Amino acid sequence: EAQVTQNPRYLITVTGKKLTVTCSQNMNHEYMSWYRQDPGLGLRQIYYSMNVEVTDKGDVPEGYKVSRKEKRNFPLILESPSPNQTSLYFCASSFRGAGVGYNEQFFGPGTRLTVL
Amino acid sequence: EDKVVQSPLSLVVHEGDTVTLNCSYEVTNFRSLLWYKQEKKAPTFLFMLTSSGIEKKSGRLSSILDKKELFSILNITATQTGDSAVYLCAVVLHSGGGADGLTFGKGTHLIIQP
Repeated sequence: EAQVTQNPRYLITVTGKKLTVTCSQNMNHEYMSWYRQDPGLGLRQIYYSMNVEVTDKGDVPEGYKVSRKEKRNFPLILESPSPNQTSLYFCASSFRGAGVGYNEQFFGPGTRLTVL
Repeated sequence: EDKVVQSPLSLVVHEGDTVTLNCSYEVTNFRSLLWYKQEKKAPTFLFMLTSSGIEKKSGRLSSILDKKELFSILNITATQTGDSAVYLCAVVLHSGGGADGLTFGKGTHLIIQP
């Protein structure tokens, strides 16, 4: 089944304790992206990646890191989480069609992160 | 700063009504516009629009883009309670070096009353 998976789905942690949220897709998509969703602010892009070893900052990259060593995986790393990073996080992927940018974006189920 | 503004933010109608959701944008290097539906889970894709004046349709939903006036509308006819959701508009931006960023609006929360 074609899908985007994220782990963990729920995480409660404390300030300063490094964590990684994994994202994996099995559709051979070039484009992958991370978003956070907060009430009243909507979905905001954190980082995205056009292909292996190619990453770019989105609208809210501060406090986050990503890597794209393999095409299928795009982990999100919080080196020193803070309470303002408490949010719902979505990973997404898509095939990048030539000439029109990327097409339909498939979202993972979301990771609800709480930083105390 | 790139901006995507959706209106209304919230809308309550009765089953069977027709609704029009709006999305306007002010961005540099527009590439395409996307519509998503989000219920109590991850967003699901509805439409991608790249050219002005070409209507996309899927059942009771349709959407059109106006690149001159910088907006898009999403129409839902004969609404059903299952259409209740947050509808998200997003603009794909083409940056230098072939990168494609994405900016979302804050969404329209649509409630369909029986």
